[in-house]
Amino acid sequence: GDSVTQMEGPVTLSEEAFLTINCTYTATGYPSLFWYVQYPGEGLQLLLKATKADDKGSNKGFEATYRKETTSFHLEKGSVQVSDSAVYFCALDDNQGGKLIFGQGTELSVKP
Amino acid sequence: DVKVTQSSRYLVKRTGEKVFLECVQDMDHENMFWYRQDPGLGLRLIYFSYDVKMKEKGDIPEGYSVSREKKERFSLILESASTNQTSMYLCASSLIADSYNEQFFGPGTRLTVL
Repeated sequence: GDSVTQMEGPVTLSEEAFLTINCTYTATGYPSLFWYVQYPGEGLQLLLKATKADDKGSNKGFEATYRKETTSFHLEKGSVQVSDSAVYFCALDDNQGGKLIFGQGTELSVKP
Repeated sequence: DVKVTQSSRYLVKRTGEKVFLECVQDMDHENMFWYRQDPGLGLRLIYFSYDVKMKEKGDIPEGYSVSREKKERFSLILESASTNQTSMYLCASSLIADSYNEQFFGPGTRLTVL
């Protein structure tokens, strides 16, 4: 079946460092891809999305490009802030009536 | 703003108790979902619903049931709570007509079963 694999955390960075969180997927069709973020004590919220190959999603300085050839959707940010500390989830829409399949989550901790 | 609310942030129950987790959304969404979140496992879908009185099993339905009597409310029921159901439970909703399929999440209920 469809699945999502993320790099393991926790990831610890200093403020203003470059961030990459790897995400790869397995899917039989052409899924939409998402990054959700969960700040401490809160539910998940959508960070960015891409619906077809070569699309780039972006929001709050974060970017991810839908790479069909490598089945990847890596999350990047050029300069992280302490406020970016959170758990990040990669997900895909399996085109079966609104269900999402989530990766295991990657915890990011940014130190001042 | 879409609001998804869950009845409790923290809940402590004893083994064998019947537990109700309530979720309410205020944006007239058709789809509603219950997930559990465990470290290293991400979010796993327990049950979902496309409409009132409709329900579908997700990936891990064993030990759970759901109820959707009104469009805005989706309840998760643990018929006889067990310690392995200690977890964070997240409710979400989405609009069928939304081609981007964005799900909106509640803040979660952290359930401890003793």
